Amino acid sequence: QSVLTQPPSVSGAPGQRVTISCTGSSSNLGTGYDVHWYKQLPGTAPKLLISGNSNRPSGVPDRFSGSKSGTSASLAITGLQAEDEADYYCQSYDSSLSGNVVFGGGTKLTVL
Amino acid sequence: EVQLVQSGAEVKKPGESLRISCKGSGYSFTTYWIAWVRQMPGKGLEWMGIIYLGDSDTIYSPSFQGQVTISADKSISTAYLQWSSLKASDTAMYYCARHETLSAPVAVWGQGTTVTVSS
Repeated sequence: QSVLTQPPSVSGAPGQRVTISCTGSSSNLGTGYDVHWYKQLPGTAPKLLISGNSNRPSGVPDRFSGSKSGTSASLAITGLQAEDEADYYCQSYDSSLSGNVVFGGGTKLTVL
Repeated sequence: EVQLVQSGAEVKKPGESLRISCKGSGYSFTTYWIAWVRQMPGKGLEWMGIIYLGDSDTIYSPSFQGQVTISADKSISTAYLQWSSLKASDTAMYYCARHETLSAPVAVWGQGTTVTVSS
């Protein structure tokens, strides 16, 4: 059971908009810790997609956006493309755990 | 170019020991943390623990405390993940990842090391 909760799967047709949620608690997102998002293609290392809730690193298309409010965050992808099909993970910091860094369980995005 | 290069795939038997490595280059190694992340076959990312290369301060996730040892040799800019007695359930891909602080994002990942434990 992950500290951050994501839907196991989402899907959308090319060109559509999809969102992926990440729900935390008062000891992580609710305390004000940032959420970060990663994209992982099969057989490859995760790649940073969104940092600090809503910031896109250089090279990430503006079709990807992030937001956070209270104990929840979301990743939105507009103009869905075939290459967006991947696993997506949220990550944050948790003040109640000695290990501190936590990932969501991951969401498989299928482009129909 | 900033990069983390991990050691190659390993195939081991249950009960054997193992140490895998992660070598940093292109940046000041001792000013960052290096974390280890497990991904079991078909599963999600699990943060195992982290080491600060400046003073070797190490923090483990409760799930991995006592199961693995994280260490580093800053003279060769290398972090390690070690098992003293492998189990079949240790079969996974292991990634090293660079953190600036514990709450910061990971912008640099190693390519991953596959560990297979089978009799």
